[in-house]
Amino acid sequence: AQSVTQLDSQVPVFEEAPVELRCNYSSSVSVYLFWYVQYPNQGLQLLLKYLSGSTLVKGINGFEAEFNKSQTSFHLRKPSVHISDTAEYFCAVRGRSGGSNYKLTFGKGTLLTVNP
Amino acid sequence: EAQVTQNPRYLITVTGKKLTVTCSQNMNHEYMSWYRQDPGLGLRQIYYSMNVEVTDKGDVPEGYKVSRKEKRNFPLILESPSPNQTSLYFCASSFRIGQGIADTQYFGPGTRLTVL
Repeated sequence: AQSVTQLDSQVPVFEEAPVELRCNYSSSVSVYLFWYVQYPNQGLQLLLKYLSGSTLVKGINGFEAEFNKSQTSFHLRKPSVHISDTAEYFCAVRGRSGGSNYKLTFGKGTLLTVNP
Repeated sequence: EAQVTQNPRYLITVTGKKLTVTCSQNMNHEYMSWYRQDPGLGLRQIYYSMNVEVTDKGDVPEGYKVSRKEKRNFPLILESPSPNQTSLYFCASSFRIGQGIADTQYFGPGTRLTVL
């Protein structure tokens, strides 16, 4: 079984400031890791994913995330945010094998609010 | 255009009145799933289907039914809705690979259900 903890439920920042949204996971098997974004009144959109290889993953809209296996973390970062980045962000994990390799487990979400 | 569609997008109903939320995908995906999203709880899986006529319970299946008679459709049925089923519902789909599923799930736009 897997679990995901998003350490901040809300993150307010000013426009053009850097931001980090934190995500920690636990799992008894190797995992795939994802970040999804949900803009107001919309569905979920894949932002980026870590499957294997380089631990630094780049996604859409200038976001990137770093997989840290020893700390079981997958934090999302952006060096300079825009008003349009205001959204809810979900970290998710899925097992690579065994009975959990179909199940996507989500964190509770982090609401990023970018202020002018 | 590749997409997952849900209908209706918004629904207000009363306790006990049976309803069905439809989900359809045009990507020939084997795997389909339903999630509910509640504030502070993230997304939780209700039911999933690995292929036609194959369905199984997720984390919160109580009060819901599903069917998978065709590959493209995966309706969610609430036989006797109650106020605690007021939520935002998402359908998702993915290719199946071996015993698991492909890494990326595609989400529908969501159905906001209110049960009075």
